[in-house]
Amino acid sequence: RKEVEQDPGPFNVPEGATVAFNCTYSNSASQSFFWYRQDCRKEPKLLMSVYSSGNEDGRFTAQLNRASQYISLLIRDSKLSDSATYLCVVTDGADSWGKLQFGAGTQVVVTP
Amino acid sequence: DTGVSQDPRHKITKRGQNVTFRCDPISEHNRLYWYRQTLGQGPEFLTYFQNEAQLEKSRLLSDRFSAERPKGSFSTLEIQRTEQGDSAMYLCASSPRQDGYTFGSGTRLTVV
Repeated sequence: RKEVEQDPGPFNVPEGATVAFNCTYSNSASQSFFWYRQDCRKEPKLLMSVYSSGNEDGRFTAQLNRASQYISLLIRDSKLSDSATYLCVVTDGADSWGKLQFGAGTQVVVTP
Repeated sequence: DTGVSQDPRHKITKRGQNVTFRCDPISEHNRLYWYRQTLGQGPEFLTYFQNEAQLEKSRLLSDRFSAERPKGSFSTLEIQRTEQGDSAMYLCASSPRQDGYTFGSGTRLTVV
């Protein structure tokens, strides 16, 4: 079983629509949670950290459910430039500064 | 440029040859991580350092792989006797205390 599981997609989203997806993680001791964005053949870039209280950054909203061990990302008013692979990332175990465990990514394709 | 720098960007090598990659982290970042990513997968942890100390090495890493961070600044990752299965993107990331791992652009290795 993978440490972090994601629906690979692709999620085909009309421009301006809302898309949401989530991931599940297996290590209940994980302390830090992130969403990274990765464009084709580029390095991952931090989109946002995810906090237990939920957090929002512009059109992006992330939620963490520790009891069920899942993390969600919602993108409102999708733009063509949102097309990318979104990686769900958790730290491994109790070290909140430790190595990262990545999901395989969810591909989002925003269409005109 | 104050980001994470990796060199070379691309490397093509013949099977059986040794290769070495370099990573220059963001200067004030204590921790440095190496990951490997193959097509369609999320990055996979290889090893990480806090300053010059190598804190953990993945069980998946064979003895052909070695990494160093001699002065707690830049790091090198060497692969000896390369195999075709080593073909991947090798990503370096650095982090200050908690939150925000910054990735370099990666070194894409092709073993022919």
